[in-house]
Amino acid sequence: AAGVIQSPRHLIKEKRETATLKCYPIPRHDTVYWYQQGPGQDPQFLISFYEKMQSDKGSIPDRFSAQQFSDYHSELNMSSLELGDSALYFCASSLGLPNTGELFFGEGSRLTVL
Amino acid sequence: GQSLEQPSEVTAVEGAIVQINCTYQTSGFYGLSWYQQHDGGAPTFLSYNGLDGLEETGRFSSFLSRSDSYGYLLLQELQMKDSASYFCAVPSGSARQLTFGSGTQLTVLP
Repeated sequence: AAGVIQSPRHLIKEKRETATLKCYPIPRHDTVYWYQQGPGQDPQFLISFYEKMQSDKGSIPDRFSAQQFSDYHSELNMSSLELGDSALYFCASSLGLPNTGELFFGEGSRLTVL
Repeated sequence: GQSLEQPSEVTAVEGAIVQINCTYQTSGFYGLSWYQQHDGGAPTFLSYNGLDGLEETGRFSSFLSRSDSYGYLLLQELQMKDSASYFCAVPSGSARQLTFGSGTQLTVLP
């Protein structure tokens, strides 16, 4: 079965640089989510898109932006990177939240900022 | 806003039963989910309770009491591979986001 695909899996950037993460949700899922997870922490919700329109916004810094395209893939753009942005970034997709409570997560993109 | 409380660590031995509790405070409640996450891996959905009562899926069961704002995940016949972090989570906002608890690190000893 198709899963959520994220790229790149690993990314190393310098401070003040820009990074772009890509996500391909499971076909026919109506919602895409982005989460940030630091070491030993719970996944922190950043932003979600429902049917390609921005839906909910969480603790996403102003330096970050995201969008979902006509082919349903989504990108998370991070600018002026800081050391504290080093984390695992997960994309997830769902169909039917909140009735199912189930998100399907990608394997994540590990960002390291030096 | 949303607040979910769960124990930070639990330790048990192989073959045992362990219960991980979760209490929550939400401005709107749809249901309670449970996720498992191994180190460096992705969160994986385990179960969801939209109504009060017990849901059973193999060795894992989950319980919800809406009147008590409380739920738990029950893991039976523990195996070494069950060593992981377990998160309770609730849909929140416009329901297009899932808010996670701080997670419970389960260690299964031989």
